[in-house]
Amino acid sequence: DAKTTQPNSMESNEEEPVHLPCNHSTISGTDYIHWYRQLPSQGPEYVIHGLTSNVNNRMASLAIAEDRKSSTLILHRATLRDAAVYYCILARNNAGNMLTFGGGTRLMVKP
Amino acid sequence: DTAVSQTPKYLVTQMGNDKSIKCEQNLGHDTMYWYKQDSKKFLKIMFSYNNKELIINETVPNRFSPKSPDKAHLNLHINSLELGDSAVYFCASCYRDRGYEQYFGPGTRLTVT
Repeated sequence: DAKTTQPNSMESNEEEPVHLPCNHSTISGTDYIHWYRQLPSQGPEYVIHGLTSNVNNRMASLAIAEDRKSSTLILHRATLRDAAVYYCILARNNAGNMLTFGGGTRLMVKP
Repeated sequence: DTAVSQTPKYLVTQMGNDKSIKCEQNLGHDTMYWYKQDSKKFLKIMFSYNNKELIINETVPNRFSPKSPDKAHLNLHINSLELGDSAVYFCASCYRDRGYEQYFGPGTRLTVT
């Protein structure tokens, strides 16, 4: 699987938007971009995924660069509950999709 | 309702013992996984299991074996436990054609002394 690069940590103020970047310059045409997050002492949680177009759901938005070599997870209004490690993962959407997690970005939210 | 559950939550055991961790999902998913998160917090896939198809991460020692009595359960059996097996183990499940959206259990913290 192609590799992703994320900042180790980021800080945000509560109720402000957060942009979490991810670089994936070696992405292949069949790789989907997945985002998961892991709250303290919990299992990972699916956030969003996309292929080429920007995506929105109730949790976040995903902005994908035109060349697909980078993407940004956008939390529109950070809350204290959003403090977690956010993982950007590339994987093909085939059966037996085994996700390879990297180091992720630890997001800290200040009140 | 708990979607993906694991038992036990904590497991402390001695080197050389054999132990099992149970996983159950009530989501009707047809694919289940086991992941390992080590002390440095890196999550690594161990197995993917769908009906009769088992995909094993080549780095997993053969002391680890998944056992699936039915579609809703995927247990992890570990033989001859070693100190390096200490970690948090997560079970996950999804629909085969929606592999991007995996649901994880709360984890089992295994400590080998």
